[in-house]
Amino acid sequence: DQQVKQNSPSLSVQEGRISILNCDYTNSMFDYFLWYKKYPAEGPTFLISISSIKDKNEDGRFTVFLNKSAKHLSLHIVPSQPGDSAVYFCAASAKYGGATNKLIFGTGTLLAVQP
Amino acid sequence: NAGVTQTPKFRILKIGQSMTLQCAQDMNHNYMYWYRQDPGMGLKLIYYSVGAGITDKGEVPNGYNVSRSTTEDFPLRLELAAPSQTSVYFCASRGGQEIFYGYTFGSGTRLTVV
Repeated sequence: DQQVKQNSPSLSVQEGRISILNCDYTNSMFDYFLWYKKYPAEGPTFLISISSIKDKNEDGRFTVFLNKSAKHLSLHIVPSQPGDSAVYFCAASAKYGGATNKLIFGTGTLLAVQP
Repeated sequence: NAGVTQTPKFRILKIGQSMTLQCAQDMNHNYMYWYRQDPGMGLKLIYYSVGAGITDKGEVPNGYNVSRSTTEDFPLRLELAAPSQTSVYFCASRGGQEIFYGYTFGSGTRLTVV
């Protein structure tokens, strides 16, 4: 049961343009949503997050939008740079075992920013 | 500040062998996690710990064991390795702050079972 889905395995964008990465979820009880960036042979790096009570969070070139009615979130990168080329994971936070949050990850989207 | 350190980075095991994947963090974080990532898949939670002496199962615990004798260390033990355990393993940690600030991940251990 895939509770967090990233339906686009890959995305190619020109340098300077906007990159939009999408994520859908099924569980309305998720309380936080996070985006991670991963380069080859490295661990995921936290990028940006949003609380389920917000609909937008912005940090520099990165903005995350949350549409709770559609159970959909997206990450916008403006302007895109070649160094943004990486795999991007969407993750959602849920209470687990009643005591702590756990992150449920999507399958990732490989972003390639072309110079 | 090293963050989360995982050793080894690579390992090849034969079927039936055992090994321990090491994970250490120097941030005094209470919460620690073990994930595995299979090709084309997201990260799946194996085990987690909310503090020294306290561990619990995640989504895919079969074939693994953990211990948490100190705040810093959270080793993952594989007993009787099987080809299905070929994967990349990531250890992560977070402090008592809200999940809003995310986890800190190690760089991973790539394990192949042949």
